[in-house]
Amino acid sequence: GAVVSQHPSRVICKSGTSVKIECRSLDFQATTMFWYRQFPKKSLMLMATSNEGSKATYEQGVEKDKFLINHASLTLSTLTVTSAHPEDSSFYICSAPPLAGGKETQYFGPGTRLLVL
Amino acid sequence: AQKVTQAQTEISVVEKEDVTLDCVYETRDTTYYLFWYKQPPSGELVFLIRRNSFDEQNEISGRYSWNFQKSTSSFNFTITASQVVDSAVYFCAPCYGGATNKLIFGTGTLLAVQP
Repeated sequence: GAVVSQHPSRVICKSGTSVKIECRSLDFQATTMFWYRQFPKKSLMLMATSNEGSKATYEQGVEKDKFLINHASLTLSTLTVTSAHPEDSSFYICSAPPLAGGKETQYFGPGTRLLVL
Repeated sequence: AQKVTQAQTEISVVEKEDVTLDCVYETRDTTYYLFWYKQPPSGELVFLIRRNSFDEQNEISGRYSWNFQKSTSSFNFTITASQVVDSAVYFCAPCYGGATNKLIFGTGTLLAVQP
């Protein structure tokens, strides 16, 4: 099946620093990618929809200036958590629907665990 | 907001027992898609099934089966003869506006299969 990678898989940072998370579709192209956040023992909540070549669409309650999304190519979307604080600690997962379609219709990355100290 | 309810927060069974995970969703859409995912402790989501709302046939895949009832907006998942490796969190996730659109995840059910 199609593969989506995320980098880094784990990151620990100090409060106030910015962290960039990459989501790559390795063997397919995607004009759209989705970013989800999952707190411990909770469900996945959609944060934003990343659109190649245009601005991301954020879900209600998600701060655009806090979570910067860039989708510069058909295989890469990045999420930057700016001025991270402990409450931003979470598991971040991206997904990408391939342009060519498929049974799964969306492929998920393995996730990035962010811990802000 | 379109809501997804997985009423069972946690289920514990003994190996070889059958177990059914419930999923009820709310929608005014006539066409949509329904997914089930497994999330083991590693965190990575494992795709289990995609179902189209216009196909109400139940599906069986090995020890897994799904019962889709459009009239009651339910899409339940049964594991037959459960195994310890089935222990994970299971999410039901409808998708509206096209199969490649965003997923709305349910609250999840933590399944613990005891040896």
